[in-house]
Amino acid sequence: DSGVTQTPKHLITATGQRVTLRCSPRSGDLSVYWYQQSLDQGLQFLIQYYNGEERAKGNILERFSAQQFPDLHSELNLSSLELGDSALYFCASSARPDREQFFGPGTRLTVL
Amino acid sequence: DAKTTQPPSMDCAEGRAANLPCNHSTISGNEYVYWYRQIHSQGPQYIIHGLKNNETNEMASLIITEDRKSSTLILPHATLRDTAVYYCIVSDIQGAQKLVFGQGTRLTINP
Repeated sequence: DSGVTQTPKHLITATGQRVTLRCSPRSGDLSVYWYQQSLDQGLQFLIQYYNGEERAKGNILERFSAQQFPDLHSELNLSSLELGDSALYFCASSARPDREQFFGPGTRLTVL
Repeated sequence: DAKTTQPPSMDCAEGRAANLPCNHSTISGNEYVYWYRQIHSQGPQYIIHGLKNNETNEMASLIITEDRKSSTLILPHATLRDTAVYYCIVSDIQGAQKLVFGQGTRLTINP
């Protein structure tokens, strides 16, 4: 158990819908990262927050957005969902951006 | 970030040492070598990282060549639970430190 929690574990929805994935970092960790893992693209970095502020962006689509709240939990919002958005979404946290990352168990999103 | 090259798959007998190689010939001076692994579809797990010197922790040892162009992750006494995909990642520790995952090495530990 890494100490990072993600909800929900599974999510099934339809194309065009909007969903929110939630992540609670390890106690005391200020940095939160979001990754997407699909069969054809592998594990890809999406976005990072540090103490509430966006720190880095990766290959995140404009339909996707994220934020980190004052209590340090983070949410990833995915809208106008397409079939290709079906993937595992992982959240990770670290004490600081230069420390190792601890990953949550992931949310499996299925878009039908 | 520098690119890494790993063999797609490896096998190792249970109880033996598993040596996983990684090539990172374009690594720059401020880039660290990180190793993570992913067991089935679980979240990736941090194993170890290093800059120049060899490192050891309770999970594994990391041997980095003097020119830093390659490294080897050593699991000293592999168990069936070590079956996983192992990722070697080179990352600049300054700034955001986003991890760029390649295809990794699928390590299978055989009984």
